[in-house]
Amino acid sequence: GAGVSQSPSNKVTEKGKDVELRCDPISGHTALYWYRQSLGQGLEFLIYFQGNSAPDKSGLPSDRFSAERTGGSVSTLTIQRTQQEDSAVYLCASSPPGLTSTDTQYFGPGTRLTVL
Amino acid sequence: GNSVTQMEGPVTLSEEAFLTINCTYTATGYPSLFWYVQYPGEGLQLLLKATKADDKGSNKGFEATYRKETTSFHLEKGSVQVSDSAVYFCALRRDDKIIFGKGTRLHILP
Repeated sequence: GAGVSQSPSNKVTEKGKDVELRCDPISGHTALYWYRQSLGQGLEFLIYFQGNSAPDKSGLPSDRFSAERTGGSVSTLTIQRTQQEDSAVYLCASSPPGLTSTDTQYFGPGTRLTVL
Repeated sequence: GNSVTQMEGPVTLSEEAFLTINCTYTATGYPSLFWYVQYPGEGLQLLLKATKADDKGSNKGFEATYRKETTSFHLEKGSVQVSDSAVYFCALRRDDKIIFGKGTRLHILP
């Protein structure tokens, strides 16, 4: 079956512009996660959705970052007024419903964002 | 707070060598522990996991044992192959969040 998909795969933008990154989770997966992977760094947790609500936004690095999820499916991560330090690979993951479902997250291929 | 520390890479080994990648964690309570792997050009995928103390996770010849007394979850493989070349991430789950280490790049030479 189809896995987690993300678009675009690559995005180059100029400093100060806004960008939108999209994630399509696996059908039926209720939980959705956004991470950021910077060069030489691990995966940095950004935000987590259960259905359409985000019980944990603690990882968003600044108020320039926001995310939404509609219909319990597609999610969009928006970065306003991009800065060079936002350059990274943005990963999305989803996991199925269930008590220990979070144990296994299925990752998308990521969006590589480059801010010039 | 919760955190994961793993050995820095890159790690370079010859084929058929024994592999250990160290991982220690800091967490309240009893988190689930994971190793994820990212092969070149591919997405991150779960390699193995352990959900309680003394559990051993295993997959594809890799093993890791949940050691509560040393707060460790070291990854081992008895005989590595070139195809094992990848970046390996140790991680823990606490509540609904997975916290990853910085990753260890592994190069296996033929």
